[in-house]
Order: sequence, then structure tokens, then C-alpha cells
Amino acid sequence: NAGVTQTPKFRVLKTGQSMTLLCAQDMNHEYMYWYRQDPGMGLRLIHYSVGEGTTAKGEVPDGYNVSRLKKQNFLLGLESAAPSQTSVYFCASSLDGVGYSSGANVLTFGAGSRLTVL
Amino acid sequence: AQKVTQAQTEISVVEKEDVTLDCVYETRDTTYYLFWYKQPPSGELVFLIRRNSFDEQNEISGRYSWNFQKSTSSFNFTITASQVVDSAVYFCALSEASNYGGSQGNLIFGKGTKLSVKP
Repeated sequence: NAGVTQTPKFRVLKTGQSMTLLCAQDMNHEYMYWYRQDPGMGLRLIHYSVGEGTTAKGEVPDGYNVSRLKKQNFLLGLESAAPSQTSVYFCASSLDGVGYSSGANVLTFGAGSRLTVL
Repeated sequence: AQKVTQAQTEISVVEKEDVTLDCVYETRDTTYYLFWYKQPPSGELVFLIRRNSFDEQNEISGRYSWNFQKSTSSFNFTITASQVVDSAVYFCALSEASNYGGSQGNLIFGKGTKLSVKP
């Protein structure tokens, strides 16, 4: 099983350019998430989705847009990249939401995408 | 508001030493979930354990053990007889329980503790 796959793994952008990160999962998970990881900051939630066709804002949504047109894919877009968006981005998925008691609320993470904005 | 504090930014030990990683959390809710994830140098995040707030039993899994104490809002992680392969960043995380429409996406991570195990 591939689990959660992120593409691309590395990308360098110039300020003002746009790009899309793709996350794909093959586990039939309902919930998908985008986090960013910065040194000394831990992981912070950007956006998440509770099912196909839905999206919601997380802790740090500004400057990003997302779409979940298919259940297995969750796209993260940067319309006009800024140096402050230099980070490592992680996609994750789970069968249930993180607050549910079923035990299916464990996140499975992708390998990460390192983005540098010059 | 929810908050997770991992006060130890970096820890360095010599192989075979025991090491405890501290995690202190804050939450308004009486029902919540606590997690530990490991991030080895390769970068991916690996799930280690999940605990709900009603289960204060300590857990042991091989060389790993977890001590959950609601009275001190702590969920500490101990590695016994550490090995070089334990070198990683370890994250503690917290989620409040939610009904449908609630905080399904709100998993709050601590800033992580970088553990270096030297041979």
C-alpha cells in the first residue's frame, strides 16, 4: 500500500509564483489535512477536509487555498508565493476526525514536501 | 484554549541510557485524546501511541512506555535502554473530543523534542 503520497517532494519558487501540492491517499480515508512544519514551531494545521467536496480552515490558512474534488486527493495551492511560506508541508489522512473516539482518528502522514520561496 | 508544551527542545544521551520526554497539555474539555508521533531523520511522521482521557493506565511497548497523569496534565514518554535508532524528533499532540461539526481537524502539536542518541 502506498498510503499517503505527496508530490512534488521538493520545489523552489520565486516570490509571486503559484504552485499546487498534490496529496493522494489510497486508504479510503474521509479526513485529509495539510500541515506546515517550521523550525521550532512544530506542526501547524493549514486546512483540512472532512470529506469529498468539503474544506475548512485550520490554524494558519492565510495565503493558501485547498480543494477536495475527489475523495482520494487533497490539493494545496499557493496563488502568490511569499518567502514566509518557505516550509516543509505535510499531508495527512485519517478514517475518522481527530476528536472521534473510534480509534480511527490516527493520522497517517505523507513523506513531506520541502518548498523554498526565494 | 488547547496547548501542548514540550519544554525540552533537545536531549542528548549515550546509548543504553534511559530518557524521558516530557509533555504537558492544557484543555478545557473533559474528554480528549493524546498522541505521540516520531519523526526520524528521514522526515516522515510515525504514529506511536494514542490515549483517551478516561484511560490513565500506563502503557509499555517494548522499550517504550508512557505515563499519563491527569492530575498534572502530563503525558510523558520514556525510552528504556536507548539506541541510536531512537534518534528523532518526538511530537506530543492533543485533540479534544468532538461531535459531528466540531473540531474534527484540530490536532494540536507541541514543538517537538529532538532526541540524539550517541553510540
